[in-house]
Amino acid sequence: GENVEQHPSTLSVQEGDSAVIKCTYSDSASNYFPWYKQELGKRPQLIIDIRSNVGEKKDQRIAVTLNKTAKHFSLHITETQPEDSAVYFCAASKPPNNNDMRFGAGTRLTVKP
Amino acid sequence: DGGITQSPKYLFRKEGQNVTLSCEQNLNHDAMYWYRQDPGQGLRLIYYSQIVNDFQKGDIAEGYSVSREKKESFPLTVTSAQKNPTAFYLCASRRGGLGTEAFFGQGTRLTVV
Repeated sequence: GENVEQHPSTLSVQEGDSAVIKCTYSDSASNYFPWYKQELGKRPQLIIDIRSNVGEKKDQRIAVTLNKTAKHFSLHITETQPEDSAVYFCAASKPPNNNDMRFGAGTRLTVKP
Repeated sequence: DGGITQSPKYLFRKEGQNVTLSCEQNLNHDAMYWYRQDPGQGLRLIYYSQIVNDFQKGDIAEGYSVSREKKESFPLTVTSAQKNPTAFYLCASRRGGLGTEAFFGQGTRLTVV
């Protein structure tokens, strides 16, 4: 199956700074890359995703970039706020039906006020 | 909340006993998943099912078994063959296919003593 590696495992930033989390994947056939956020004691929830036919996608303060050649994608959070503190997971899936979804090991982001 | 329910929230079992974790969804989703969440290891895929009476092994299927007799239900049995069963288990469901969001249950924390 697909192997997804995620870095860093922990990240601490000052409120207002930017945060970047990177993931690499092993299978060049993978074409869908979501990011999930898990707040303390809660279930993971989708925050943004990107398909392989797009290089970048933005949603307010968050963005995801994809480099298919290098097989890596990144989550960018700008103007971080304390409520951004959570564990973030990247994932990848591939055709024919994208149902085999593998996650990275997670990044614990702490935003210091 | 999300239409996917796991029960119980906490489960204690004696070593050597099999135990079954429940996962039910009313979202009419085709795909269902079991992930194991350990600190620093992210969400590791145990099994997934794309349709009734079908399931596929993930990365850590050894010592686990599943069934998918109904679309709504995807129970996970942790057998005595699982060497380190104490963990947090998350169930998820998706409509299936490219770009569809995974919805997670609230999780079951299994402790084997």
